[in-house]
Amino acid sequence: SQQGEEDPQALSIQEGENATMNCSYKTSINNLQWYRQNSGRGLVHLILIRSNEREKHSGRLRVTLDTSKKSSSLLITASRAADTASYFCALPNSGYALNFGKGTSLLVTP
Amino acid sequence: DAGVIQSPRHEVTEMGQEVTLRCKPISGHNSLFWYRQTMMRGLELLIYFNNNVPIDDSGMPEDRFSAKMPNASFSTLKIQPSEPRDSAVYFCASRQRDWPQHFGDGTRLSIL
Repeated sequence: SQQGEEDPQALSIQEGENATMNCSYKTSINNLQWYRQNSGRGLVHLILIRSNEREKHSGRLRVTLDTSKKSSSLLITASRAADTASYFCALPNSGYALNFGKGTSLLVTP
Repeated sequence: DAGVIQSPRHEVTEMGQEVTLRCKPISGHNSLFWYRQTMMRGLELLIYFNNNVPIDDSGMPEDRFSAKMPNASFSTLKIQPSEPRDSAVYFCASRQRDWPQHFGDGTRLSIL
């Protein structure tokens, strides 16, 4: 099993700007998921992208997957203060489990 | 719909004491996961159950840790005896078939 590695570890932007965070991994995968964690709360699923998909959208979120580079990116457009959170990529483990990276901590200031 | 419910939300106890963390998954979900989150190690999978049966407990750090799922609506994670290095936030998550995992808000455990 493998963990994804998020980059950067921390990101600070102003409201209205776009935020981009990346996840790299080592061996081929069937899918990759992104989760968000607000301070003091559990993780919340954002989006799942399968290995045969290159891009997926959900509201202000855009996720890309480049299987040749073994990397994924999460773009949050027109960020808001409420987007302040940690963002994690998750890779399938054996069976039904997931392995999470260490996350990117995003701070959006008004 | 009620989400995944964990109790207690906070637990402070002295080393050597037994600690029991509880989780009620979302009704109808057939897989349940226990994770531990620390600054140093991030989010680690401890054990997961499918249809109440433990499938993979390779993440359980030591024999001091044990988990049970006596029925589809309840699971416990027990630490006996507890040690200061067990201090962490423990999360329970559940899922239904191929759908994403739903997390509880965690138990913040401090062992003094």
